[in-house]
Amino acid sequence: EDKVVQSPLSLVVHEGDTVTLNCSYEVTNFRSLLWYKQEKKAPTFLFMLTSSGIEKKSGRLSSILDKKELSSILNITATQTGDSAIYLCAVIGYGGSQGNLIFGKGTKLSVKP
Amino acid sequence: KAGVTQTPRYLIKTRGQQVTLSCSPISGHRSVSWYQQTPGQGLQFLFEYFSETQRNKGNFPGRFSGRQFSNSRSEMNVSTLELGDSALYLCASSHGTGGQETQYFGPGTRLLVL
Repeated sequence: EDKVVQSPLSLVVHEGDTVTLNCSYEVTNFRSLLWYKQEKKAPTFLFMLTSSGIEKKSGRLSSILDKKELSSILNITATQTGDSAIYLCAVIGYGGSQGNLIFGKGTKLSVKP
Repeated sequence: KAGVTQTPRYLIKTRGQQVTLSCSPISGHRSVSWYQQTPGQGLQFLFEYFSETQRNKGNFPGRFSGRQFSNSRSEMNVSTLELGDSALYLCASSHGTGGQETQYFGPGTRLLVL
């Protein structure tokens, strides 16, 4: 069965810290991996990683895909209280009954001032 | 460009009733996917519609159904509501072709079943 596992489930840090969120997957015919940030409403898109684009960076956020290890990390440097959210990892693959995004349970990040 | 919109935003129903939720995708997007989000299960895929056809389906009972119209707007219907159907229902749209699978989410419809 296809699955996506994120760790840790929750994390509490102080402003200015650097955090690394992990995502591992087992998906039939992997195509791409996406990271989303969810605050009190709907998830907002952060990055998409594919075989042809295994590293992405935007400001203080960056992400790397390790196809050999079937995993990805999301790094946030110099964290701010506004980074507090649930970070979701999702994978697109083909196989089984879910040909669409398969989500992990998320990592809840709390950044304290 | 306007984002994904969903109506209604909040809904309260009682067990046994049915409900219809609506989603309007980003202009030009032909794929609409529906998800159920609950604290215990996280985000779970319901189904995806592309060009008025259901292209993918998750592991939900037949009480959950949907459709897509020629303008790509989509509706989701849940019949014979159960308490466990209380959740945030999210729809997401994407181009759905050529590897452009990035999905953009609407604000969601929060359904409470009493």
